[in-house]
Amino acid sequence: DAKTTQPNSMESNEEEPVHLPCNHSTISGTDYIHWYRQLPSQGPEYVIHGLTSNVNNRMASLAIAEDRKSSTLILHRATLRDAAVYYCILRGHRSYRDDKIIFGKGTRLHILP
Amino acid sequence: DADVTQTPRNRITKTGKRIMLECSQTKGHDRMYWYRQDPGLGLRLIYYSFDVKDINKGEISDGYSVSRQAQAKFSLSLESAIPNQTALYFCATSDRTRLRGLFFGSGTQLSVL
Repeated sequence: DAKTTQPNSMESNEEEPVHLPCNHSTISGTDYIHWYRQLPSQGPEYVIHGLTSNVNNRMASLAIAEDRKSSTLILHRATLRDAAVYYCILRGHRSYRDDKIIFGKGTRLHILP
Repeated sequence: DADVTQTPRNRITKTGKRIMLECSQTKGHDRMYWYRQDPGLGLRLIYYSFDVKDINKGEISDGYSVSRQAQAKFSLSLESAIPNQTALYFCATSDRTRLRGLFFGSGTQLSVL
């Protein structure tokens, strides 16, 4: 199963951009990169996903390296409500059954007021 | 009403007891997943199911069993609970396109004494 590596924790100041890195050196050509976040006392929620091109949505941006071995989740202007654990996962699309979704430990993001 | 509902929200049981955690969804999704979360260990996949007759083991299936009673219902059972199964359990669903992310329930906090 393809795995991801993320820093255990990061800190950022409120109202500044945050760049959360993820390494996935064993990614296959059909794996999508997904990001989730888990707010305190809640279940994880989907943030964004991509395959090769950079992606933007109302929550965040996803920058994918040209070789796809790493990606970065970008929060453009962090707020205290963005303090959460962020998970980077790979989701296979090689076949109908290629969907064993493995989460790691994620990155705990602390936002300083 | 929540799209993915887990019951009970909290449960305390004793070692050796059989216990069932239930998950139901109104999203019409084919795929359902059970994860457990321990402090500092992120989410670990227990079982996953692509439809009623297609159930697969995840990373840590020993000591657990599941039942997919209908497309909308996926139950997790601990046949003989032990203290190290004390954890927060999450159910999640996904459609077959896999392009809209996983949707998680609010979790069941299980304590085995």
